[in-house]
Order: sequence, then structure tokens, then C-alpha cells
Amino acid sequence: KQEVTQIPAALSVPEGENLVLNCSFTDSAIYNLQWFRQDPGKGLTSLLLIQSSQREQTSGRLNASLDKSSGRSTLYIAASQPGDSATYLCALMDSSYKLIFGSGTRLLVRP
Amino acid sequence: DGGITQSPKYLFRKEGQNVTLSCEQNLNHDAMYWYRQDPGQGLRLIYYSQIVNDFQKGDIAEGYSVSREKKESFPLTVTSAQKNPTAFYLCATQAGTGSYEQYFGPGTRLTVT
Repeated sequence: KQEVTQIPAALSVPEGENLVLNCSFTDSAIYNLQWFRQDPGKGLTSLLLIQSSQREQTSGRLNASLDKSSGRSTLYIAASQPGDSATYLCALMDSSYKLIFGSGTRLLVRP
Repeated sequence: DGGITQSPKYLFRKEGQNVTLSCEQNLNHDAMYWYRQDPGQGLRLIYYSQIVNDFQKGDIAEGYSVSREKKESFPLTVTSAQKNPTAFYLCATQAGTGSYEQYFGPGTRLTVT
């Protein structure tokens, strides 16, 4: 059974710092991987989607990588800002097109 | 958000009552999903539907029911059989081709007392 783990569960950094959020998974048979952002009490906003055949995707200050062989994905946030404070969730799509979620990393960027 | 509407934003019910959560989309996506989120946890799949008039159970379907009579609508009923119904409920849609990216609605917070 696929399991998705996100470490750390919470992270606090000063504004301007570059940071990396980690996502690991146990089964490399995935269709794609999505990183989402969730603000308190809100729905999920898709940040980046990496297809199984891809190694990374970039959008602005965000870069997500995927290494299926090691069962890892990272979300890199450059020059963090207080507005980046949110919970970040990674989710894998399995072969039946269902998403399996990690429990998230709660990020606080201090001014 | 975007083309997915969930209503109401907050819902309060007494224990023993059934309640129906609404999810409507105008993205013309075939697939729709219902997830439950508990504090500090990821999302868990309740039910999903890949086409009108068809749906499948997810990982935690007990105590829930759904219908898919129209492509645009996928309502979720939380029945009195659900033991711990208080949670944040999220609806999502998925493009049927290409990237299979999922898009989420704003969610409904259900509180049962």
C-alpha cells in the first residue's frame, strides 16, 4: 500500500531564506505527483504537477523535483516571503487515478 | 476554487441527522471526488465518480452516500451512520485527459453536535 510522508511537519524560517520541503513515498508506480498549498480553512491550490516521466517543474520561485527511484520529491521555495506561510501538501496519483496525500508541512515565514 | 462551488461554507447539524453537502463544477470535467480532512492530517478519499451515473467507494466510504445524476453535480450525504462526521470536506474535479491534474473547491466545514 502506498504511503506518503512529509517531513518536517512544521517549519519556521525568517523571511528571505531559501527552503526545501520533503515528500517521500513507498511505491514508485505513480502516474504523477502534485504539490498543493492550503491556507487555513481554505481549499487546496495546485502549485506544481510533475508527470511520472519528468524530473522537475518550475513556477516562479517554486521548483519541484521527482526521483522515483529513491521515492522522493522536494519542493524548493526561493527567497521566502511571509505570504508563503501556509500548509504544503504533496499527493501522488496511483495507477487507478486516485490521489494519495501526505499529512502536510505547515510553513511559517517570519517577517 | 475557480469553477468549483461548494456550499455552504459552514454547516451545523445535530447528531442523528443526515446532511447533504453540495458540489457543483463548470469545468466540464468528467471525474469528481470527495475528500475528508481532519486537523493536522492529509486528505482521505470518500467517494469518486469518473462518469455520470457511476461512482466508486474510496478509502473511508462508510456512513456516506453520493449520487451523480449530472456531470456538473456530485452531492455528498453524511448519514447518521457516520460515527465522527465533524470534519472539513473537500470536493475536487479532474481533467479526464492529459495531465489528470485535480482541482479543488473551497470546502465545507461540517460540525455535528
